[in-house]
Amino acid sequence: DSGVTQTPKHLITATGQRVTLRCSPRSGDLSVYWYQQSLDQGLQFLIQYYNGEERAKGNILERFSAQQFPDLHSELNLSSLELGDSALYFCASSKGGHQPQHFGDGTRLSIL
Amino acid sequence: GIQVEQSPPDLILQEGANSTLRCNFSDSVNNLQWFHQNPWGQLINLFYIPSGTKQNGRLSATTVATERYSLLYISSSQTTDSGVYFCGRGGAGSYQLTFGKGTKLSVIP
Repeated sequence: DSGVTQTPKHLITATGQRVTLRCSPRSGDLSVYWYQQSLDQGLQFLIQYYNGEERAKGNILERFSAQQFPDLHSELNLSSLELGDSALYFCASSKGGHQPQHFGDGTRLSIL
Repeated sequence: GIQVEQSPPDLILQEGANSTLRCNFSDSVNNLQWFHQNPWGQLINLFYIPSGTKQNGRLSATTVATERYSLLYISSSQTTDSGVYFCGRGGAGSYQLTFGKGTKLSVIP
């Protein structure tokens, strides 16, 4: 058990819809990262938050947004969903800086 | 952009055999981590190793930052070692990881 909790584990929805993925980091970790894993793109970094503030952005689409709340949990919002958004979305947490990242079990998103 | 290349892409081992997985990166490294993705999709952090050598049971890892590569050694492999092994690299000022495409390991009894 990594200590990082992601919900839901599975999500099935239709094109054009909006979903929210939730992540609770390990106790004491201030940094949260979101990654997307798909067959064609592999594991790709989306966005990072540190203690409530956005710190880095990767290949995140404009249809996607995220935030980190005062209690340090984070949410990733995906809107106007397309078939190509089907993927495994991971949240990882670390203490901050160059530190080990620990991954949640992921949310498997299927767009029909 | 930063490139992270892993080799071999696929590896089939008999139980009990040893193996070496390699990760090459195209730029300097401040952060190098090895992960195991098990058949259930979970990503487990094996090592945080920006330089030097670490060992954990049957697994060990070495990063030679000046030559821009890292190695993961698996000794006396077991069927539970099957899965995909990823290395992820972070550079100066960028704490996120750039991942390679992984090495898929299959350990057969």
